[in-house]
Amino acid sequence: GIQVEQSPPDLILQEGANSTLRCNFSDSVNNLQWFHQNPWGQLINLFYIPSGTKQNGRLSATTVATERYSLLYISSSQTTDSGVYFCADTNDYKLSFGAGTTVTVRA
Amino acid sequence: DTGVSQDPRHKITKRGQNVTFRCDPISEHNRLYWYRQTLGQGPEFLTYFQNEAQLEKSRLLSDRFSAERPKGSFSTLEIQRTEQGDSAMYLCASSPPGGVHEQYFGPGTRLTVT
Repeated sequence: GIQVEQSPPDLILQEGANSTLRCNFSDSVNNLQWFHQNPWGQLINLFYIPSGTKQNGRLSATTVATERYSLLYISSSQTTDSGVYFCADTNDYKLSFGAGTTVTVRA
Repeated sequence: DTGVSQDPRHKITKRGQNVTFRCDPISEHNRLYWYRQTLGQGPEFLTYFQNEAQLEKSRLLSDRFSAERPKGSFSTLEIQRTEQGDSAMYLCASSPPGGVHEQYFGPGTRLTVT
């Protein structure tokens, strides 16, 4: 299946700071998604972004499919942004996930 | 539009017991997926249904695991003779028909085997 590498594994931010999370993929990008896992374990959809750039409030994402990577930008971070961020892509419908980036935003 | 629901949210069982989890997908989503997530890891694929047909099963799904989606709506995941290694979060997801395969996840069932 697809190998997904996320970096950095951990990120500590001061409230108000900006950050960039990265995903690299071993194969061509098909149905790339970004998720935020809340403290109760639910995966919240952030972006479905097989290519191009999308923005949703303080979050934006860019996928460069030809170079097999995607970036998630968090601007003006808030404590509620804390949690684990996953990227994932499909191979024959099943999602392959990275190991996640744990983001901690300090007040 | 209600999201994916799962029941129960938490299950504590003793080793050797059988457990069954239920997943109700978003209405009109014909694709349904089960994943398992252990602490500190990303979710791992277990199985996939399109309508009532189970189209793929992971090698992670041993013969103690069985999943069904009898009428193409809700699905059940049963684990027989549970082992401590089965302790994990079991996540269900669904996606709509057509070319966009965006998956939406339920809240998960957290299983603890003692």
